[in-house]
Amino acid sequence: DIQMTQSPTSLAASVGESVTITCLASEDIYGSLVWYQQKPGKSPQLLIYGATILEDGIPSRFSGSGSDTQYSLKINSLQPEDFASYYCQNGLSTPYTFGAGTKLELK
Amino acid sequence: QVQLQQSGAELAKPGSSVKISCKASGYTFTSYDISWIKQTTGQGLEYIGYINTGSGGTYYNEKFKGKATLTVDKSSSTAFMQLSSLTPEDTAVYYCATVTMMGDWNWFAYWGQGTLVTVSS
Repeated sequence: DIQMTQSPTSLAASVGESVTITCLASEDIYGSLVWYQQKPGKSPQLLIYGATILEDGIPSRFSGSGSDTQYSLKINSLQPEDFASYYCQNGLSTPYTFGAGTKLELK
Repeated sequence: QVQLQQSGAELAKPGSSVKISCKASGYTFTSYDISWIKQTTGQGLEYIGYINTGSGGTYYNEKFKGKATLTVDKSSSTAFMQLSSLTPEDTAVYYCATVTMMGDWNWFAYWGQGTLVTVSS
């Protein structure tokens, strides 16, 4: 199975700041990296697929980058609604595996 | 719009089984495979497997073989997951989600609201 190592586990930031979350795959996943946002008590919501492609309706302050085994999610100019948990997912091969998550908290 | 409506919370005794449903609407049911994902506080998100909604063919994560059984009823656009021989370690929120495939890229675009399964005597 492909292991997904996500960091940091938690992150405190202020409204207006920018933050970056990283995800390291245990092997090359050829850009098949997905990011989700999850708010308490809600289902995960798709943000980005194919490492860089923003899902329809997702604000442009979210962006993804990376290749091979290393990927990042950047959120520019944090808004109050962005404080949530974020997960990466290997979308290349089954079993599709997830990172352990990053909890983004308000400083 | 695509919607996945899951059945309600379950309280089950150890050793018993539960069957969760996931009713799809807003699209042609056989357009997407349906995956199932387990979420616990300790283990995070774990992929259980998927069912091809057209053929009924299934894939199971090795970890969930013998634990989960995936079925589908095309006539009602509903996918089901049965969990058997329940233990407290099966206590979790279970999600169904549509699988979008583009070449080597696979992702979960639409999710159900989740079903909490609690296993307790």
